[in-house]
Amino acid sequence: DGGITQSPKYLFRKEGQNVTLSCEQNLNHDAMYWYRQDPGQGLRLIYYSQIVNDFQKGDIAEGYSVSREKKESFPLTVTSAQKNPTAFYLCASSTTSTGELFFGEGSRLTVL
Amino acid sequence: AQSVAQPEDQVNVAEGNPLTVKCTYSVSGNPYLFWYVQYPNRGLQFLLKYITGDNLVKGSYGFEAEFNKSQTSFHLKKPSALVSDSALYFCAVRDGTGANNLFFGTGTRLTVIP
Repeated sequence: DGGITQSPKYLFRKEGQNVTLSCEQNLNHDAMYWYRQDPGQGLRLIYYSQIVNDFQKGDIAEGYSVSREKKESFPLTVTSAQKNPTAFYLCASSTTSTGELFFGEGSRLTVL
Repeated sequence: AQSVAQPEDQVNVAEGNPLTVKCTYSVSGNPYLFWYVQYPNRGLQFLLKYITGDNLVKGSYGFEAEFNKSQTSFHLKKPSALVSDSALYFCAVRDGTGANNLFFGTGTRLTVIP
């Protein structure tokens, strides 16, 4: 079935460690996105990519990094520079013609 | 600048009654408007969208939304609520300038009381 796969679903990290969240899609979508969700704050855009080998910062990119080496994959690294990384992270993709986003099931990161 | 407001953090409705979840928006160009639903610890699921055309948009699971340009609103509605509709609902907007980023509201938690 076509869709977006995020892994891991739950992740625990010690302070000072980098972690990488995986996002893979088989929808053949050009654009991919990473959002962060915190209670009561809705979704905030971290990074997005409209084409392979190109990506742009969103509203809260500090402390995060991404790569887009393949159309299907858009991994997010949460670095030790991110001051408050505990959150629910959502990956999404879209075609540019329709606009709606298709979301993965999310990854919950907890910093111990 | 684009923005979305969902003025109600929580909406409670009795099963079988009509429900409305409110959304107002601000964009510099023509709005593209979306509603999503989220169940606990899950990703967001697309419900419906308005791009152009008829102001009343019908979507998944019996939901519909009415685009009102003069009031810059896009309220989500359903004629008869089900307990299974209880979830977190997000309104989102992007403008028509070409950038495909969606801006999300803070969400409204809908509880349908049996």
